[in-house]
Amino acid sequence: DAMVIQNPRYQVTQFGKPVTLSCSQTLNHNVMYWYQQKSSQAPKLLFHYYDKDFNNEADTPDNFQSRRPNTSFCFLDIRSPGLGDAAMYLCATSRGSVAGPDTQYFGPGTRLTVL
Amino acid sequence: QKEVEQDPGPLSVPEGAIVSLNCTYSNSAFQYFMWYRQYSRKGPELLMYTYSSGNKEDGRFTAQVDKSSKYISLFIRDSQPSDSATYLCAMGFTGGGNKLTFGTGTQLKVEL
Repeated sequence: DAMVIQNPRYQVTQFGKPVTLSCSQTLNHNVMYWYQQKSSQAPKLLFHYYDKDFNNEADTPDNFQSRRPNTSFCFLDIRSPGLGDAAMYLCATSRGSVAGPDTQYFGPGTRLTVL
Repeated sequence: QKEVEQDPGPLSVPEGAIVSLNCTYSNSAFQYFMWYRQYSRKGPELLMYTYSSGNKEDGRFTAQVDKSSKYISLFIRDSQPSDSATYLCAMGFTGGGNKLTFGTGTQLKVEL
């Protein structure tokens, strides 16, 4: 089945210790997104790639970086995690339609704990 | 004012009830509207999307859009305990950079 896969599902890191979360997709979609979701809050878009074009949200902290080495994979790097970065991190993909609904499909998420 | 407002709940209903979940929005540029279901500690799962005003039905689920009032609804008929989840509305528009604006989600519990 075509899908969005995130690894690991649970990640524990120490304050200030860099961490990388990974996302892969078998949907062959053009766009990949990273969201941060805290408890009882809406998913907050951090950035997205349209193919190789990187689009950063204006309020995404510099502490968050992303890489997309190929169509299938996208990584979220948190350079120096703080306690406030503990959250669920969601990866999503979409075809990148420019006319009509551009439906996003989500992975299961990675829950990050910062000690 | 947030672009998309959604009552967080929690909403608790008995099994078999009709559930109404709602979102209001302020940006008249939004053209398409989606409903996602999110189980606890899982990623959102797309339920339905609509591209125009009116109703769209899929099994027990009906999505309704009223663009003149900037109001969307999701109705669940014959609700089941397995419908217990958080329901997120999301919306976007052509030329919006492939981005969606999400509501905060309504937590629904369907009790036996």
